[in-house]
Amino acid sequence: TQLLEQSPQFLSIQEGENLTVYCNSSSVFSSLQWYRQEPGEGPVLLVTVVTGGEVKKLKRLTFQFGDARKDSSLHITAAQPGDTGLYLCAVLSGGYNKLIFGAGTRLAVHP
Amino acid sequence: AAGVIQSPRHLIKEKRETATLKCYPIPRHDTVYWYQQGPGQDPQFLISFYEKMQSDKGSIPDRFSAQQFSDYHSELNMSSLELGDSALYFCASSPRAGAYEQYFGPGTRLTVT
Repeated sequence: TQLLEQSPQFLSIQEGENLTVYCNSSSVFSSLQWYRQEPGEGPVLLVTVVTGGEVKKLKRLTFQFGDARKDSSLHITAAQPGDTGLYLCAVLSGGYNKLIFGAGTRLAVHP
Repeated sequence: AAGVIQSPRHLIKEKRETATLKCYPIPRHDTVYWYQQGPGQDPQFLISFYEKMQSDKGSIPDRFSAQQFSDYHSELNMSSLELGDSALYFCASSPRAGAYEQYFGPGTRLTVT
């Protein structure tokens, strides 16, 4: 079983639409990260959230950490084709902070 | 800004051969992580190094070994390759052990035939 459950697995939308993807767990975390990965490339860190209820904005992307620090969401406003990619949530584990990833949401934004 | 460098970018090997993957972290980063990402899967942690010492170990087969050198670059050595080892192998570096940020390289795509 996956520590982090991401939904939906796949999302195909038209340019200009809004969307929300989710990352859920039954465990409590001190922090949670979101990465974006393009095919054949390494994941790129988008944001780290550390406080329950925290909301962070990165241009058209809004990240929220749940009050209980068990879940997170990523909302994209007015999606663009450049937003296409695999969105991974991840948590740090162990004293040296290895990353544990969710299975990801594959987003395709069509012009 | 300098990023993590991995070489080679692509590698094709036959079963039972050996492979060596190299990772050059961002300058002044002392922590290196290796991850394996199979087709359609999320990255899985293999092993990490802090100040040239192994700091953590994940689901890394005994056929694999790794080390971090005095210049902080790291190498992942893979022997007796199997078809199932075909994957993307990412290296990530961090400015210090325990830091939130990990910066990923572009990966090495290993194909075992």
